Amino acid sequence: GDSVTQMEGPVTLSEEAFLTINCTYTATGYPSLFWYVQYPGEGLQLLLKATKADDKGSNKGFEATYRKETTSFHLEKGSVQVSDSAVYFCALSGKAAGNKLTFGGGTRVLVKP
Amino acid sequence: NAGVTQTPKFQVLKTGQSMTLQCAQDMNHNSMYWYRQDPGMGLRLIYYSASEGTTDKGEVPNGYNVSRLNKREFSLRLESAAPSQTSVYFCASSEASRDTDTQYFGPGTRLTVL
Repeated sequence: GDSVTQMEGPVTLSEEAFLTINCTYTATGYPSLFWYVQYPGEGLQLLLKATKADDKGSNKGFEATYRKETTSFHLEKGSVQVSDSAVYFCALSGKAAGNKLTFGGGTRVLVKP
Repeated sequence: NAGVTQTPKFQVLKTGQSMTLQCAQDMNHNSMYWYRQDPGMGLRLIYYSASEGTTDKGEVPNGYNVSRLNKREFSLRLESAAPSQTSVYFCASSEASRDTDTQYFGPGTRLTVL
């Protein structure tokens, strides 16, 4: 079945540091890929998505590129802020499965001033 | 727009008790979902409803039932709670059930079963 693997945290960074969170997936065909973010005490919200190979999703300074050849969707941000402290989830939605999301385990990011 | 709302926010149950988690959305979405979140496991789909009048099992449906009351509301029922059901429960909705559709999540219900 479909699965998503992302790096375990926590990831601790200083403000203005570069952030990368690795995400790889296993799925039949070409799924849609998502990054969701969960701020403390809140539900998940969409950060960015890509629906076909080589697409780049971007939002709030974050970027991720859909790499079919490496089955990856790594999240990057060039200069993090304290307000980026959150848990980040990589997820996929297989075309045969409709909109049922399969999530990775989540990566907690802590940005220190 | 309130988006997706869930009640209650917190609940403590004893083993064997029953309860219903309520979810409502005001975005006129067709599809709704229930997930549970456990440490290190991400979110796992319990049940979903692709459209009003339909429901289907997700990855972890055992011990749960759902009702799609109308287009706005989708409830999750625990008939006989067990400690293994201690978790944070999230409801979500999307415009449709296409794989490209964004899901919008509620704030969650933290459930503890003693």
